[in-house]
Amino acid sequence: GDSVTQMEGPVTLSEEAFLTINCTYTATGYPSLFWYVQYPGEGLQLLLKATKADDKGSNKGFEATYRKETTSFHLEKGSVQVSDSAVYFCALLYNTDKLIFGTGTRLQVFP
Amino acid sequence: EAGVAQSPRYKIIEKRQSVAFWCNPISGHATLYWYQQILGQGPKLLIQFQNNGVVDDSQLPKDRFSAERLKGVDSTLKIQPAKLEDSAVYLCASSPGLKETQYFGPGTRLLVL
Repeated sequence: GDSVTQMEGPVTLSEEAFLTINCTYTATGYPSLFWYVQYPGEGLQLLLKATKADDKGSNKGFEATYRKETTSFHLEKGSVQVSDSAVYFCALLYNTDKLIFGTGTRLQVFP
Repeated sequence: EAGVAQSPRYKIIEKRQSVAFWCNPISGHATLYWYQQILGQGPKLLIQFQNNGVVDDSQLPKDRFSAERLKGVDSTLKIQPAKLEDSAVYLCASSPGLKETQYFGPGTRLLVL
């Protein structure tokens, strides 16, 4: 069945470092792909999305490109801030209209 | 625009008790979802409504969980009786329609002792 695999965390970085969080998916067709962020004590917030191959989603300095050939949707940011510390979830939406989430990756950014 | 509202934010109960959660979706959103997020895992869909009808409840443990969306707006999720393994965050989400972006509420954190 459809699934999402994320790199395990925590990812620990110093402020202004470059961030990559890997995400790969398994699906029989062409799903829409999402990154959600969950700050401590809060619900999920949509960070960015891409609906077709080669689309690039971007928001708040974060980017991810939908790569069909590698079935990946890696999240990147050129310079992280302490305020980016959160749990990041990769997810896909396909035929069933059910969001399928990865297990989440915790990011910790230190000054 | 107001987001998805949920209450209560926190609930502590003993096993075998009952509990109910409430969700008010974004105005005009036809589709409403309830997810269960166990600590350290991604959210998993429990039930999906389109207006006041159930679209998918295949992952809902129907012997103890029930949900309704009367009048196609607010929704309640109930657990009766609760088990220890029901300790989780219960997230409500809504979207304008099927297969559209889902927007999440802050969640209700349930602890069953």
